[in-house]
Amino acid sequence: SQTIHQWPATLVQPVGSPLSLECTVEGTSNPNLYWYRQAAGRGLQLLFYSVGIGQISSEVPQNLSASRPQDRQFILSSKKLLLSDSGFYLCAWSPRPNQPQHFGDGTRLSIL
Amino acid sequence: DAKTTQPNSMESNEEEPVHLPCNHSTISGTDYIHWYRQLPSQGPEYVIHGLTSNVNNRMASLAIAEDRKSSTLILHRATLRDAAVYYCTPGAGGTSYGKLTFGQGTILTVHP
Repeated sequence: SQTIHQWPATLVQPVGSPLSLECTVEGTSNPNLYWYRQAAGRGLQLLFYSVGIGQISSEVPQNLSASRPQDRQFILSSKKLLLSDSGFYLCAWSPRPNQPQHFGDGTRLSIL
Repeated sequence: DAKTTQPNSMESNEEEPVHLPCNHSTISGTDYIHWYRQLPSQGPEYVIHGLTSNVNNRMASLAIAEDRKSSTLILHRATLRDAAVYYCTPGAGGTSYGKLTFGQGTILTVHP
């Protein structure tokens, strides 16, 4: 069966520090991968998606970047965090577009 | 993006059926209707999805209006574990990547 792992579960970072969140999927190949952010009391916002290794598309301009160095690995990064980067970050995968997406447990990021 | 409208909250008693409505009047012809639910501090969990016909799975049923402008998620016998925030979202079938855009969702409270 397929599983998705996302870490860390919680993270507290100072403003201006770098960020690296990692997501890996097991039990499938060539998944579509997604990074979402869920701000407190707000809906889900798609940040990045990837349909293959090295292929990254950004939904909104921001202080974050994403990379997909391996088929089942998706990394969310920032060189210098802003206060507005606080939120609940979720990684998800699906076998194909328009198929159900399966989410990781998320990372709660707090910026101080 | 297609917009969705859901009631902010609903309540049910255990063992009773629950009907969660969603309006998606601007949905495109190729968008599937997805339903997810989310517990606090957890990633969303896929519940069910459909395009035109009513759908059933082990978790729920999905009734889709003939004009596709609304749908209803049906939990046949609510349990305490069904208490969560429920999101309906049109999957971006017209794109190449299947973007999900959650709104505020419906908070379902289940009373013992």
